[in-house]
Amino acid sequence: DTAVSQTPKYLVTQMGNDKSIKCEQNLGHDTMYWYKQDSKKFLKIMFSYNNKELIINETVPNRFSPKSPDKAHLNLHINSLELGDSAVYFCASSPSLRREKLFFGSGTQLSVL
Amino acid sequence: GENVEQHPSTLSVQEGDSAVIKCTYSDSASNYFPWYKQELGKRPQLIIDIRSNVGEKKDQRIAVTLNKTAKHFSLHITETQPEDSAVYFCAATLEYGNKLVFGAGTILRVKS
Repeated sequence: DTAVSQTPKYLVTQMGNDKSIKCEQNLGHDTMYWYKQDSKKFLKIMFSYNNKELIINETVPNRFSPKSPDKAHLNLHINSLELGDSAVYFCASSPSLRREKLFFGSGTQLSVL
Repeated sequence: GENVEQHPSTLSVQEGDSAVIKCTYSDSASNYFPWYKQELGKRPQLIIDIRSNVGEKKDQRIAVTLNKTAKHFSLHITETQPEDSAVYFCAATLEYGNKLVFGAGTILRVKS
């Protein structure tokens, strides 16, 4: 009964590959997010969706494409992976836009070799 | 972090002492200021938050203060314990609440 779950937990892949990370929340929240945490622990917002609609796209390379099939799911697809994409990616949700308390998933450790 | 500055980047205290982490923000429209704790290998979790209509908020050993005029807010942890060791992030809302931006984090080490 995990509130925000994301898979996989670990992802090791070669440069140039395409990979996806899935996220699901069972909290009934309207808003979902992707954050990237780099090796220095800096947490940076990438995208936010509200009721399946893209709200924020933080100048992320277009190799990153989020998809929200419904408000409980927000997946992240990454094309042509690069070394600099190695990081921990956190999915999060909040009750609604401007209801700011975030509930984070457990993170996906992506390592690009 | 972008528009949210956090200091210090690392903080070591003796068990039982107090710890203070400070943040400043630039957007005068910011109205929500949460603090998250991230233990090693875990997800960030909200520990306390404050809204702009309040100057101080307390929850047991942790408290947050906000100075809207100076645009800074602080986290205070009293009687620190080894389990308080973690990375602490401040954050502030930007763009009229559409975006939550985090500070760069503070690594707190509580020595027993």
